[in-house]
Amino acid sequence: DSGVTQTPKHLITATGQRVTLRCSPRSGDLSVYWYQQSLDQGLQFLIQYYNGEERAKGNILERFSAQQFPDLHSELNLSSLELGDSALYFCASSAGTAHNQPQHFGDGTRLSIL
Amino acid sequence: AQKITQTQPGMFVQEKEAVTLDCTYDTSDPSYGLFWYKQPSSGEMIFLIYQGSYDQQNATEGRYSLNFQKARKSANLVISASQLGDSAMYFCAMRDLTGTASKLTFGTGTRLQVTL
Repeated sequence: DSGVTQTPKHLITATGQRVTLRCSPRSGDLSVYWYQQSLDQGLQFLIQYYNGEERAKGNILERFSAQQFPDLHSELNLSSLELGDSALYFCASSAGTAHNQPQHFGDGTRLSIL
Repeated sequence: AQKITQTQPGMFVQEKEAVTLDCTYDTSDPSYGLFWYKQPSSGEMIFLIYQGSYDQQNATEGRYSLNFQKARKSANLVISASQLGDSAMYFCAMRDLTGTASKLTFGTGTRLQVTL
């Protein structure tokens, strides 16, 4: 158990819809990261937050947004969903941003768009 | 830009044997971290081992060790005494600091199958 909690584990929805993925980081971790894993793109970094502030954006679509709340949990919002958004979405957390600190991953949310 | 290359899409190893999973990386940053993660068929990502760019010794964690050759920009994972439960996808990743960002860049992974 990594200590990172993601909900829901599975999500099935239709094109055009909007969903929210939730992540609770490990106790004490201030940094939260979101990654997308798909068959064609592999594991891609989406966005990073540190103590409530956005730190970096990766290959995140404009239809996607995220935030980190004062209690450090984070949400990833996906809107106007397309078939290509079907993927496994991971949240990870680390104590800080130093390169020697591993990121610990949650079990992921598997999103299926029908 | 950082890049991780894993050239072995799939590997087979017999139980109790050792196996090496290859990873090469490319970065212009002098300071970086290298990580290996395991992804079983159930989907979760499990952190295995870390190697820092300035570390003088190769990292070891139980049956996992990292063969770090900085000049060659390689960070191969060695799994000793393979077990059936080691069957999974293995990802090499690099973390560097660009300003205040600290993302992981992943390779495409190697699928390891441990056989009897």
